[in-house]
Amino acid sequence: EDQVTQSPEALRLQEGESSSLNCSYTVSGLRGLFWYRQDPGKGPEFLFTLYSAGEEKEKERLKATLTKKESFLHITAPKPEDSATYLCAVRTTSGTYKYIFGTGTRLKVLA
Amino acid sequence: KAGVTQTPRYLIKTRGQQVTLSCSPISGHRSVSWYQQTPGQGLQFLFEYFSETQRNKGNFPGRFSGRQFSNSRSEMNVSTLELGDSALYLCASSGTSPGTDTQYFGPGTRLTVL
Repeated sequence: EDQVTQSPEALRLQEGESSSLNCSYTVSGLRGLFWYRQDPGKGPEFLFTLYSAGEEKEKERLKATLTKKESFLHITAPKPEDSATYLCAVRTTSGTYKYIFGTGTRLKVLA
Repeated sequence: KAGVTQTPRYLIKTRGQQVTLSCSPISGHRSVSWYQQTPGQGLQFLFEYFSETQRNKGNFPGRFSGRQFSNSRSEMNVSTLELGDSALYLCASSGTSPGTDTQYFGPGTRLTVL
């Protein structure tokens, strides 16, 4: 069964304390992996799309990487405004190309 | 380029009523998906429409239905509302060819059922 698992569920960091969020996936075929940021009560905001193992993308303090089994979202020197829930999703190549979302990592960055 | 828009943004209904939510995708996007989000449940997939046809469906009762129009705009309907239907309903649109299938989300419709 296709599945996406994110860890940890929640993470508290001090401002400037770098860390990584994990998204592991089990799918019959990967068409793409997506990272989103979601603030409370708002729609998810797109961050990155990764298509193949070895691919990396960066935006400000965020860097996303992809292997054949998992993706990492690295946060370098985070600031309080980086506090949000980070969601990972995959799109499969099997059947009707479903999107499958993980349950997210709630990140809190303390000043 | 305008983003995904959803109307209304907030809605209060009572049990037993029905509700219709609307979603306008990004121009050129032909795929529209709907999700329900409740605290502690994460994003629950409702259905996906492409070219006016339902392509994928989640595990929700038949009270939840949707449709897509020829201009790619989509509506979802919930009949006989229950208290548990209170949630943030999110719409997302995407292209369909490889490299264009990133989903972009709207701001959501907050539905409260009393």
